[in-house]
Amino acid sequence: NAGVTQTPKFQVLKTGQSMTLQCAQDMNHNSMYWYRQDPGMGLRLIYYSASEGTTDKGEVPNGYNVSRLNKREFSLRLESAAPSQTSVYFCASTLGLRDTQYFGPGTRLTVL
Amino acid sequence: DAKTTQPPSMDCAEGRAANLPCNHSTISGNEYVYWYRQIHSQGPQYIIHGLKNNETNEMASLIITEDRKSSTLILPHATLRDTAVYYCIAFNSGGSNYKLTFGKGTLLTVNP
Repeated sequence: NAGVTQTPKFQVLKTGQSMTLQCAQDMNHNSMYWYRQDPGMGLRLIYYSASEGTTDKGEVPNGYNVSRLNKREFSLRLESAAPSQTSVYFCASTLGLRDTQYFGPGTRLTVL
Repeated sequence: DAKTTQPPSMDCAEGRAANLPCNHSTISGNEYVYWYRQIHSQGPQYIIHGLKNNETNEMASLIITEDRKSSTLILPHATLRDTAVYYCIAFNSGGSNYKLTFGKGTLLTVNP
């Protein structure tokens, strides 16, 4: 099992550009999450998907959109990147909404 | 979820036991104590969790005091690869909050 995988590992964007961060899990988990982590801070939840076909906002959703493509995949889209979105983005998955979370390796995004 | 308090940093000699404390004096009866760690630049890794009984798995042991106001994560034979930030989180898996709140954690440095 690969667990939770994320692509790309690194990305540099210019202000105003768009991109999609990809996340996939092979653990047959129902729930998936997107977090961001800024230097010296803990993780903050952006969006989550309790099950296939549903998505909900977390604590910092502005500037992001998500798609739960199927049970395995949960993508995060930045429509018009801003320097404030420079961060490390982590995807996580759980069997159920409040079960133990398993994290991917992260995507390091820099917006110039 | 209850607030947790951890020392900002600790040192441990390689091969010795690492004992990481966590205070959670306001923890409620249905909140679990979860431990995650984050090795530099990687995604958080689940270690162990418990409600009131002591728990052990292949990675660590979790000792929770009888009043549940504090706990200790024990890595029995620390190695250099255990150098990481360790997060103690109080989480109500049956409540309406599905979000793990990562604080600043404890930076454990294992020295040769």
